[in-house]
Amino acid sequence: QVQLVQSGAEVKKPGASVKVSCKASGYTLTGYYMHWVRQAPGQGLEWMGWINPNTGDTNYPQKFQGRVTMTRDTSISTAYMELSRLRSDDTAVYFCAKGEVVASGYFDSWGQGTLVTVSS
Amino acid sequence: SYEMTQPPSVSVSPGETASITCSGDKLGDKYAFWYQQKPGQSPVLVIYQDAKRPSGIPERFSGSNSGNTATLTISGTPPMDEADYYCQAWDSNTAVFGGGTKLTVL
Repeated sequence: QVQLVQSGAEVKKPGASVKVSCKASGYTLTGYYMHWVRQAPGQGLEWMGWINPNTGDTNYPQKFQGRVTMTRDTSISTAYMELSRLRSDDTAVYFCAKGEVVASGYFDSWGQGTLVTVSS
Repeated sequence: SYEMTQPPSVSVSPGETASITCSGDKLGDKYAFWYQQKPGQSPVLVIYQDAKRPSGIPERFSGSNSGNTATLTISGTPPMDEADYYCQAWDSNTAVFGGGTKLTVL
């Protein structure tokens, strides 16, 4: 069965960067888009972008352009999301979510989430 | 930027039908997706492409989308369906989520 296992919780200082990993199993990473979604404490879901694991192409919404970088290592079926210049309002749970074979589709499997806390 | 509006909360009695709406400009021209999220858990896809149910999702979950409103309907709502529900659509290659609706079953 499809499983996405994310790296553990992180505590970072403002201005630092964080890199979250998402290891995929039960399917071929390169066959489906991978998305990242975050959720601030007590708040709703916010999409951060996608990566095409086959080509490495990425798409980020304007809000995150210049601060987020999505990459992948196909040899270990793992996707990564790095967010730089962290601020306190970046404190959130970050999820990876498996997409479809097309970019603009649904998210049918989600990782368990990684809590990133930004605090001085 | 595109926005979708959901009611913050909906209440339903056990066994009754719950309807959760999601409004956005010409939303009916796009596909709507719905996710269920229980406290401390990751979201789960319950409806895709307006009205389709993924494998393993009970038949009591159904969806529709027309005009400016998409609707998630839960028939015969059991207490286990108490959760937050989020609608989602795509606009200009950007995924947009509604603000979420807390469904209370009491």
